[in-house]
Amino acid sequence: ETGVTQSPTHLIKTRGQQVTLRCSSQSGHNTVSWYQQALGQGPQFIFQYYREEENGRGNFPPRFSGLQFPNYSSELNVNALELDDSALYLCASSSGQRSGNTIYFGEGSWLTVV
Amino acid sequence: QKEVEQDPGPLSVPEGAIVSLNCTYSNSAFQYFMWYRQYSRKGPELLMYTYSSGNKEDGRFTAQVDKSSKYISLFIRDSQPSDSATYLCAVSLLQGAQKLVFGQGTRLTINP
Repeated sequence: ETGVTQSPTHLIKTRGQQVTLRCSSQSGHNTVSWYQQALGQGPQFIFQYYREEENGRGNFPPRFSGLQFPNYSSELNVNALELDDSALYLCASSSGQRSGNTIYFGEGSWLTVV
Repeated sequence: QKEVEQDPGPLSVPEGAIVSLNCTYSNSAFQYFMWYRQYSRKGPELLMYTYSSGNKEDGRFTAQVDKSSKYISLFIRDSQPSDSATYLCAVSLLQGAQKLVFGQGTRLTINP
């Protein structure tokens, strides 16, 4: 049990729509990051939030955005959905923003874009 | 060239066999090395975590890091059917944001 919970577990959206995925971390984990995992691939880093501010971003366009809240919850928002956005979206949390802290993953949200 | 290369398999071995899983990476600045296990349609679960070079053992699992050749390995002794999963190697830098760079994952099946 990692203490990281995500919702919804599965959802289907239409191309061009917007989606919000949610994550709840365990108390004390002030760093949250989001990853995209396409079928048959390893997870890819989208961005990281520390104390409610984005402090690291991977190679993803601005239509991927996020929010982090003081109660250890966070959101991933994706606008103008494309078919290639179909993937497992993983939330990960840790107790520190720097490398070296153990990172725990949630079970993920499966997004299908049709 | 990908930053982390991992043979996707699939790899199928009989129960009780010793399993060897490997990754190579390209950036010598990576200092943290991890192995995650991912069951089908589940999130990755941290198995082993190593800083810099050397070996680390935890039960039936041993992780090895050879920074001179940029090569990381995971060995599973006395493999069990419950070990059947996808194994992901991941690396990260010494400083900066906690960006994990993952390999593609190796799909492993242990046959009873």
